[in-house]
Amino acid sequence: QKEVEQNSGPLSVPEGAIASLNCTYSDRGSQSFFWYRQYSGKSPELIMFIYSNGDKEDGRFTAQLNKASQYVSLLIRDSQPSDSATYLCAVKTLNYGGSQGNLIFGKGTKLSVKP
Amino acid sequence: GAGVSQSPSNKVTEKGKDVELRCDPISGHTALYWYRQSLGQGLEFLIYFQGNSAPDKSGLPSDRFSAERTGGSVSTLTIQRTQQEDSAVYLCASSSDRNSYEQYFGPGTRLTVT
Repeated sequence: QKEVEQNSGPLSVPEGAIASLNCTYSDRGSQSFFWYRQYSGKSPELIMFIYSNGDKEDGRFTAQLNKASQYVSLLIRDSQPSDSATYLCAVKTLNYGGSQGNLIFGKGTKLSVKP
Repeated sequence: GAGVSQSPSNKVTEKGKDVELRCDPISGHTALYWYRQSLGQGLEFLIYFQGNSAPDKSGLPSDRFSAERTGGSVSTLTIQRTQQEDSAVYLCASSSDRNSYEQYFGPGTRLTVT
């Protein structure tokens, strides 16, 4: 069973703080890692992807990947109330259900940024 | 350009009835995915289409679920003899090809089985 685990939260941070969202995965063969943001009642939208160990920065967002620890995280700097949403971690892996690779999603972490 | 569209946006049906959900992917996108999201849960992969290849049906929860994609574009997800546990939001996504990292999601169809 391929699993992607996230703390469901809610994670509450004050405006301007750094929000840290974490995700672990069970399949060592996983290749690519994604963070999606989902506002309440809306569909997910991709905000970051990473496939090499280390950090990847895009504006206020930084994705961190540690394949040895099977851990991926998303940091949001200078958090804004508009960042309040559920953040879904997704992992692309091979040999899942006989297919050539599909995204497996975690259940998401709900982030609340307080003004 | 236009994004992924889905219809209907909401569907209420009685237990035992069949339903059809439609997805219109972004023009030119060859890969199309169906997911299901139950309340408070993550996205559950259902089925995947890539071009003219045989679909990957590994995520379909039972033989009551089926999907087709006509002409490499529009897809229909059919649920026969619906059950209350089928109630969820059904999301469709498309990407430019099988190796694309970026899947664009439609607004979803909220299915309620009474």
